[in-house]
Amino acid sequence: ELKVEQNPLFLSMQEGKNYTIYCNYSTTSDRLYWYRQDPGKSLESLFVLLSNGAVKQEGRLMASLDTKARLSTLHITAAVHDLSATYFCAVGYNTDKLIFGTGTRLQVFP
Amino acid sequence: NAGVTQTPKFQVLKTGQSMTLQCAQDMNHEYMSWYRQDPGMGLRLIHYSVGAGITDQGEVPNGYNVSRSTTEDFPLRLLSAAPSQTSVYFCASSSLIREGFYGYTFGSGTRLTVV
Repeated sequence: ELKVEQNPLFLSMQEGKNYTIYCNYSTTSDRLYWYRQDPGKSLESLFVLLSNGAVKQEGRLMASLDTKARLSTLHITAAVHDLSATYFCAVGYNTDKLIFGTGTRLQVFP
Repeated sequence: NAGVTQTPKFQVLKTGQSMTLQCAQDMNHEYMSWYRQDPGMGLRLIHYSVGAGITDQGEVPNGYNVSRSTTEDFPLRLLSAAPSQTSVYFCASSSLIREGFYGYTFGSGTRLTVV
C-alpha cells in the first residue's frame, strides 16, 4: 500500500528564517507534486518533480526529489508572511492517480 | 477557459438524503477524479475515470457512485448521506503532458455538511 508521510504537520516560523518540509513515500514512483492551499481555497500547483535528483525553484521555495530515498523536500528560504498556507505533497501512481500527504500548515509571523 | 467547475460550493444535507455534486471541465482531459479532504488527512481518492464510460474505485468509494457519460462531466452521487460524509470534495481533471507526467487541475471544492 502506498503511503505518503509529511512532516512536520504544523510549522510556525519567524519571517526571514529558513525551514524544510519533508515528504516520504513508501513505494516506487516517478512523479512527485507539491501543492499550496490557502484556507477555504482549492489547490494551487507549485512543482512537479519527475526524475531522481530533480530540483525546482520558484521564488523562496525550492523542491527536490530523491527517488532512491523516496524523499522529497520543500525548502523555504527567508520566509515571508505571504507564504502562510498549507502545503501538500502528492505521489503519482498507477497512471494518473495521486496519493496525498497529510499536509503541513505553515504559519509565518513577524 | 473555465477549467474545472464544481457546483454547488456549499451544501447542507440531512442524514439519509441523496444528492449529486457536479463537476465539469472544458479542457478535453481524459482523466477525471473525485477527492475528499478531511482535517489532518490530506486528500483521499474516492472514484476516478480514465474516459467516457469508464470509472473505477479509489481509496474511499463506499457511499458514493459516479458515472461518466461525456468527457466533460463527472458527477458524484451520494446515495444516502451520512454524517461521516461531511467533508470538502474536490474534483480534478488531468491529462498526459508527456510520458509519465500528468498535469492536474482542481476545482474550487464543495463543502458538504451532513446533519
